[in-house]
Amino acid sequence: GAGVSQTPSNKVTEKGKYVELRCDPISGHTALYWYRQSLGQGPEFLIYFQGTGAADDSGLPNDRFFAVRPEGSVSTLKIQRTERGDSAVYLCASSLEWSGANVLTFGAGSRLTVL
Amino acid sequence: GQQVMQIPQYQHVQEGEDFTTYCNSSTTLSNIQWYKQRPGGHPVFLIQLVKSGEVKKQKRLTFQFGEAKKNSSLHITATQTTDVGTYFCAAKNAGNNRKLIWGLGTSLAVNP
Repeated sequence: GAGVSQTPSNKVTEKGKYVELRCDPISGHTALYWYRQSLGQGPEFLIYFQGTGAADDSGLPNDRFFAVRPEGSVSTLKIQRTERGDSAVYLCASSLEWSGANVLTFGAGSRLTVL
Repeated sequence: GQQVMQIPQYQHVQEGEDFTTYCNSSTTLSNIQWYKQRPGGHPVFLIQLVKSGEVKKQKRLTFQFGEAKKNSSLHITATQTTDVGTYFCAAKNAGNNRKLIWGLGTSLAVNP
């Protein structure tokens, strides 16, 4: 597509529930990133995919968080047993891999609210 | 771990005044990128600096990369209300690490 698409744009869930957030990157972008942003803070790195594999998942806060990108395009961020502290805007970004100069194009984000 | 310090955290200016935000690192950077995030929006890429001492301009915005590649600045001349938002720097260290390190951002408010 023309830009990075994220769904849902808003998700309200109850503590303990499971949520999935979807990211559809720009066509042809091999690199895909997930970030989390809380109010008044900068983007916090979660995970980076190069193709289908997670090249760096060091930012995932704990084992309740998991992300997949099975065909090297669309990615899903999965959060199990949600906690109130998981409430944030989850941003997805994609980039062309070129000499390590990863200019990121962000989607509009998925705002997650855990009650 | 590596950190990128960004100052000031907030800046409130009168329309027409200039504005500068600074990014500083204790380690040598491979490159540095600047993004702008409007209120309620998502970060949007502005510029990337790669070379030591590099200066790039976009209309009223001037971006600089320090000679030692450890600091950078974004200067806006004669601010307008459309400049409102948070400006983030994001940097890569000199190693082979694809993870960008983000500053906490500078929030700019412009009084008309």
